Amino acid sequence: AAGVIQSPRHLIKEKRETATLKCYPIPRHDTVYWYQQGPGQDPQFLISFYEKMQSDKGSIPDRFSAQQFSDYHSELNMSSLELGDSALYFCASSAFRDRELDTQYFGPGTRLTVL
Amino acid sequence: EDQVTQSPEALRLQEGESSSLNCSYTVSGLRGLFWYRQDPGKGPEFLFTLYSAGEEKEKERLKATLTKKESFLHITAPKPEDSATYLCAVQAYKLSFGAGTTVTVRA
Repeated sequence: AAGVIQSPRHLIKEKRETATLKCYPIPRHDTVYWYQQGPGQDPQFLISFYEKMQSDKGSIPDRFSAQQFSDYHSELNMSSLELGDSALYFCASSAFRDRELDTQYFGPGTRLTVL
Repeated sequence: EDQVTQSPEALRLQEGESSSLNCSYTVSGLRGLFWYRQDPGKGPEFLFTLYSAGEEKEKERLKATLTKKESFLHITAPKPEDSATYLCAVQAYKLSFGAGTTVTVRA
């Protein structure tokens, strides 16, 4: 079965640089979520999109922005990178039907290292 | 604020030694409780969704149960390949994760 695809899988950046992470949801899934997971920590919710509109916002820094495109893929843009941004970034997708809860399926993650 | 607490933090088992992981939660308007398995450096892998107290779900050596305040993940006769971090998450307004239980199964 098709899964969530994330690219790149690994990314190394210098402080104050910009990074763009991409997420391709499972086909026919209309909701995308972004999470940040630091070493030894649980995933922290950043932001989500439903039908290309922002649906919820978590602990996402103002330096970060995200959007969902017409083909439902999503991009997380991170500017003015700081050392503390080094983490695993996960994308998850779900199908939101009739406001019923559906399961979030996670991608393999992008490991971002800021030097 | 929604809170999810998992115990124990770490569990070391001998192959075949059954055990249980606990997830207790306080949340307003629980819509669902999820169990995920996560291997190091990889994304959480979905295991179960539980929606209401009394519900149980099973998959191979794993069985998840739900009460009004907690959920248990039972691992029956574990094998080394069951070694992973097991994450519990509750869905209210958003999905909130516990810190996880790291399970190590020795052959």
